[in-house]
Amino acid sequence: SAVISQKPSRDICQRGTSLTIQCQVDSQVTMMFWYRQQPGQSLTLIATANQGSEATYESGFVIDKFPISRPNLTFSTLTVSNMSPEDSSIYLCSVLQSSTEAFFGQGTRLTVV
Amino acid sequence: GEDVEQSLFLSVREGDSSVINCTYTDSSSTYLYWYKQEPGAGLQLLTYIFSNMDMKQDQRLTVLLNKKDKHLSLRIADTQTGDSAIYFCAETRMDSSYKLIFGSGTRLLVRP
Repeated sequence: SAVISQKPSRDICQRGTSLTIQCQVDSQVTMMFWYRQQPGQSLTLIATANQGSEATYESGFVIDKFPISRPNLTFSTLTVSNMSPEDSSIYLCSVLQSSTEAFFGQGTRLTVV
Repeated sequence: GEDVEQSLFLSVREGDSSVINCTYTDSSSTYLYWYKQEPGAGLQLLTYIFSNMDMKQDQRLTVLLNKKDKHLSLRIADTQTGDSAIYFCAETRMDSSYKLIFGSGTRLLVRP
């Protein structure tokens, strides 16, 4: 299975600032995704990170708030911009391997104060 | 619709079997997954099943799929205290998105 490393694992940030989360995979993967898990909730897809082109965002998520980069097939970043307390969540990177197996990183636990 | 539904809580005694249920609404679902999330951790892929299968077994885990009723279940045999966690079912479809749609999660508590 793919090994996914996310950094940072957790952070406490001031409102109005931005945080960039990194996701590194130990093998080349076609598809990478970013999910959000709000406190006590299930997971919601933010966007699909596309290599070499703009990410594909789900309804309710916009590029200005959650810019995503994917420079190659093993790395992606998600930035949470101009943070507010409502952005406090766990953010998870996911990759699809062999078109069937979807693996997740350990997540980044973000608290905005 | 895109709803995936699960019961919120299940409590079992150690050594008993646990059965966690999930229903989905979209008949075009292709793969159905079960994930485990322990406190403070990410999601661990437990198993998955293709929609043309009825059953899949992997050690203590048995997945049953009733495609007619759009019902998926995960049975954990000989449940242990280490199995206490939140279990999510998720579906994906054979369109170009490959995104996962998650249920709300079932919190499993294993009593000694």
